Amino acid sequence: GAVVSQHPSWVICKSGTSVKIECRSLDFQATTMFWYRQFPKQSLMLMATSNEGSKATYEQGVEKDKFLINHASLTLSTLTVTSAHPEDSSFYICSAPPGGFQSYTFGSGTRLTVV
Amino acid sequence: DAKTTQPTSMDCAEGRAANLPCNHSTISGNEYVYWYRQIHSQGPQYIIHGLKNNETNEMASLIITEDRKSSTLILPHATLRDTAVYYCIVRPMDSNYQLIWGAGTKLIIKP
Repeated sequence: GAVVSQHPSWVICKSGTSVKIECRSLDFQATTMFWYRQFPKQSLMLMATSNEGSKATYEQGVEKDKFLINHASLTLSTLTVTSAHPEDSSFYICSAPPGGFQSYTFGSGTRLTVV
Repeated sequence: DAKTTQPTSMDCAEGRAANLPCNHSTISGNEYVYWYRQIHSQGPQYIIHGLKNNETNEMASLIITEDRKSSTLILPHATLRDTAVYYCIVRPMDSNYQLIWGAGTKLIIKP
């Protein structure tokens, strides 16, 4: 089946620094990638949708200048949290739509802690 | 808003069948019913999906009512590793449609 590899699994960074999260589709081409954020004991909330070769589409209330998304190739999408603050601490998950696989494929998630 | 409603939490004894209900009374004819689960601090895991007919795979069975307004996920022999949050989601046949996540059901399997 389809596999999305997400790195890093966890990261701790200082306030004001930037963090990059990568999601790679290992055995298929992902023209679209969904990026979610999940706070403790809450459900997944869609942040943005990235499309290969074009600008990402952000959900209402998500700052596009803070959460930079790049989908430079059919196998790599990245989310960069710029000038991170403690309130950005969360669990970030990427997901590729099913295409021919029928089920969405999810990365393993990245636990971001900003101190 | 999520188009499904699920109980907040459920308990089940290890080795017994876990039956997780889901209401999706506003489901459209072109929408599938999907079930995912999320074990703590991991990405969601696909379980099963269906359109009209009941489905079974190596993980679970999905029973969809004839009017398609509700469904039940059945884990036939629950183990401690099945403790997770289970999400029931409906989505159109458009393969790139985003998933809308409700609160899910926290299933706790007890020894």
